[in-house]
Amino acid sequence: DSGVTQTPKHLITATGQRVTLRCSPRSGDLSVYWYQQSLDQGLQFLIQYYNGEERAKGNILERFSAQQFPDLHSELNLSSLELGDSALYFCASSHPPGGAGDYGYTFGSGTRLTVV
Amino acid sequence: AQTVTQSQPEMSVQEAETVTLSCTYDTSESNYYLFWYKQPPSRQMILVIRQEAYKQQNATENRFSVNFQKAAKSFSLKISDSQLGDTAMYFCAFGEGTYKYIFGTGTRLKVLA
Repeated sequence: DSGVTQTPKHLITATGQRVTLRCSPRSGDLSVYWYQQSLDQGLQFLIQYYNGEERAKGNILERFSAQQFPDLHSELNLSSLELGDSALYFCASSHPPGGAGDYGYTFGSGTRLTVV
Repeated sequence: AQTVTQSQPEMSVQEAETVTLSCTYDTSESNYYLFWYKQPPSRQMILVIRQEAYKQQNATENRFSVNFQKAAKSFSLKISDSQLGDTAMYFCAFGEGTYKYIFGTGTRLKVLA
């Protein structure tokens, strides 16, 4: 157990629907990162939150949004789902003060989203 | 923009042998971090080794070591005494002040019995 908890582990939904993926960071970590990994692809950075505020944004679609709550858990909302959104969605967390570089990310086990 | 390139999509190695995975990157930053992550069939992302760019000494973690060539922007991973459990996708990643990582496309390593 890495200490980063992602739920649910698997999700199957239909096109056009909306889903919410949840991430609880490792205890003490203030930063949360979301990545998308499509089949046999690398990891694409979506968005980062630090202590409740958006810190960096990657190639995140407008249909996707995220937030980090006061208890530091984060949610990634995916709406108007398309077949191409099927992927493994990872959450990672890191510990300050130096940011991810000092310690590296700790990844959750991912949520596998299948859009049918 | 930073980029990370892994030019070997697939590699195989005999058990107990040594294999080297290649990674090159591009950045204008002088201080950054480099990582190798392993993704076994379970799909969990596991940190293998990290290197700080300002340190000239190559990082080592048990059977895993890196060859960091800063001027050449090269960061290869050497796995010694390969084991069946090393079979996985290996991702090279670059991180700097913005804290987000840039990942390469991965190298699929298969260790043969």
